[in-house]
Amino acid sequence: GNSVTQMEGPVTLSEEAFLTINCTYTATGYPSLFWYVQYPGEGLQLLLKATKADDKGSNKGFEATYRKETTSFHLEKGSVQVSDSAVYFCALRGIQGAQKLVFGQGTRLTINP
Amino acid sequence: DTAVSQTPKYLVTQMGNDKSIKCEQNLGHDTMYWYKQDSKKFLKIMFSYNNKELIINETVPNRFSPKSPDKAHLNLHINSLELGDSAVYFCASSPPGVYEQYFGPGTRLTVT
Repeated sequence: GNSVTQMEGPVTLSEEAFLTINCTYTATGYPSLFWYVQYPGEGLQLLLKATKADDKGSNKGFEATYRKETTSFHLEKGSVQVSDSAVYFCALRGIQGAQKLVFGQGTRLTINP
Repeated sequence: DTAVSQTPKYLVTQMGNDKSIKCEQNLGHDTMYWYKQDSKKFLKIMFSYNNKELIINETVPNRFSPKSPDKAHLNLHINSLELGDSAVYFCASSPPGVYEQYFGPGTRLTVT
């Protein structure tokens, strides 16, 4: 079945540091890929998405590129801020069957001033 | 202007009780979902309805029963609550042909 694996957290960085959160997936064909963010005490918000190979999703300074050859969708940001502290989830939606999202285990990110 | 809303936000109850969580979306979406997030933040789908019809039913105990009175509402009823049901439950919705889902703020259920 489909699955998503994210790098284990927690991740702690200083403000203005470079961020990478790794995400790899297992799926049949070309799934759609997403990054969701969960701020403390809130629900999940869509951060960015990519629906086909080599697509780059971007939003709020975050980027992720859909790499079919490595089955990856790593999240990056060049200069993180304290307000980026949250839990980040990588997710996929398969090409077959119903519209469920399959999530990775989440990566908690803490940015220190 | 809340897009996907859930009530209550917090729910504390004793083992053996029956409780319901309500979800409403004002986005006009056709499909709604329930997810469970455990204490380690792991998210897993439980159910999905499309236009009031059940389309996803993962391996969830029979004690959990979703009900969709109309396409804007998807409620979750839980019978005979157990300690292991303690979690945050998220409702979500999505329009047809669009892949992303829009999540509610969550309901934190604590079973004592």
